[in-house]
Amino acid sequence: SQQGEEDPQALSIQEGENATMNCSYKTSINNLQWYRQNSGRGLVHLILIRSNEREKHSGRLRVTLDTSKKSSSLLITASRAADTASYFCATGSPSGANNLFFGTGTRLTVIP
Amino acid sequence: DAGVIQSPRHEVTEMGQEVTLRCKPISGHNSLFWYRQTMMRGLELLIYFNNNVPIDDSGMPEDRFSAKMPNASFSTLKIQPSEPRDSAVYFCASSGDGTGELFFGEGSRLTVL
Repeated sequence: SQQGEEDPQALSIQEGENATMNCSYKTSINNLQWYRQNSGRGLVHLILIRSNEREKHSGRLRVTLDTSKKSSSLLITASRAADTASYFCATGSPSGANNLFFGTGTRLTVIP
Repeated sequence: DAGVIQSPRHEVTEMGQEVTLRCKPISGHNSLFWYRQTMMRGLELLIYFNNNVPIDDSGMPEDRFSAKMPNASFSTLKIQPSEPRDSAVYFCASSGDGTGELFFGEGSRLTVL
């Protein structure tokens, strides 16, 4: 299966702290994406990193990708209570098909 | 743009009944995806369409599930007959703006009693 796995499954931190979530996957990819899901809502795209990139930033988000280890990390700096959500990584197939396979998610709770 | 629109948001039905979930993708997007989310199995890709043509339906659990996309602005996912194990949140997503990003609807929460 191409499905990724996030680690940890759940993370609880204080507001203002940084949150780091990791994703491991099994097959070759052409890109890796991170999504956020608030409770009872649909997923929202956060950031995409291509297989030839190693690091990408977007606001308080920093994503790294290590294709040799088949892993990625998402760092949220200076967390806020509003960041409380589930975070998923998703991998795109190198075949060029545009379907994505999602990981199991990390449930982040930011305590005000 | 209104985003991806799914209906119904919630459906409660009895085992054996037919269920039809609907999706309107974002205008101009040429790919449409159906996902199912459960606590046990996470997000599973059921089927996806490109330019209204089903490309990969290997994730469709069994013959009770069928999906159609009669035109670029409408898709349905049908379960007939429904079973309690089909209870899940079903998401529709579309893409096609060239970024590789998926745009998700708010989901249809299905409960089969």
